[in-house]
Amino acid sequence: DTEVTQTPKHLVMGMTNKKSLKCEQHMGHRAMYWYKQKAKKPPELMFVYSYEKLSINESVPSRFSPECPNSSLLNLHLHALQPEDSALYLCASSQDEIPGEQYFGPGTRLTVT
Amino acid sequence: GENVEQHPSTLSVQEGDSAVIKCTYSDSASNYFPWYKQELGKGPQLIIDIRSNVGEKKDQRIAVTLNKTAKHFSLHITETQPEDSAVYFCAASNAGGTSYGKLTFGQGTILTVHP
Repeated sequence: DTEVTQTPKHLVMGMTNKKSLKCEQHMGHRAMYWYKQKAKKPPELMFVYSYEKLSINESVPSRFSPECPNSSLLNLHLHALQPEDSALYLCASSQDEIPGEQYFGPGTRLTVT
Repeated sequence: GENVEQHPSTLSVQEGDSAVIKCTYSDSASNYFPWYKQELGKGPQLIIDIRSNVGEKKDQRIAVTLNKTAKHFSLHITETQPEDSAVYFCAASNAGGTSYGKLTFGQGTILTVHP
């Protein structure tokens, strides 16, 4: 099973709202990732968690707050977003952080109004 | 940091033809090169990958070649089918330093296979 699941599929939120994106994998992977993807562009790395600890933060604004409650779950908490934050948010996982197969979820399509 | 260039940006072929997408990378320390296929409304799907100790890898109709000296790698799809239509991304990564775990993606190629 190489499935990464993400909820919700779509999310519309106002600039003053607080919402969370969820990601889950049951492959026993110890590294999990958040990416942001704009239309017709490649995914851009936001955060990397390795063994439930944040190991890479690509200078992401603090209105995005990641959380890794356990080795299977990854959350992205959103607060006071801007319209330019509208994008597809992808979660991925891999066996560990050493280059290896990263498996992506289907993404959450976020629209900020 | 690593920089990955991908060409062409769009590719249109007839069903049954072959398709080739090329990428070049800048960091000689990169040692892992995956290819992803992304269909509309879906997340990227890993379709094949190659490591720097291998020159070529094949999986049914798809193959990847790597030239470490020239720092380029290519995706070859033979006997294309309409369901191969998608956006394809190449990527590069290395195991050392502070950038481990980070994939640097090319800009993507929109492949259209006409029936």
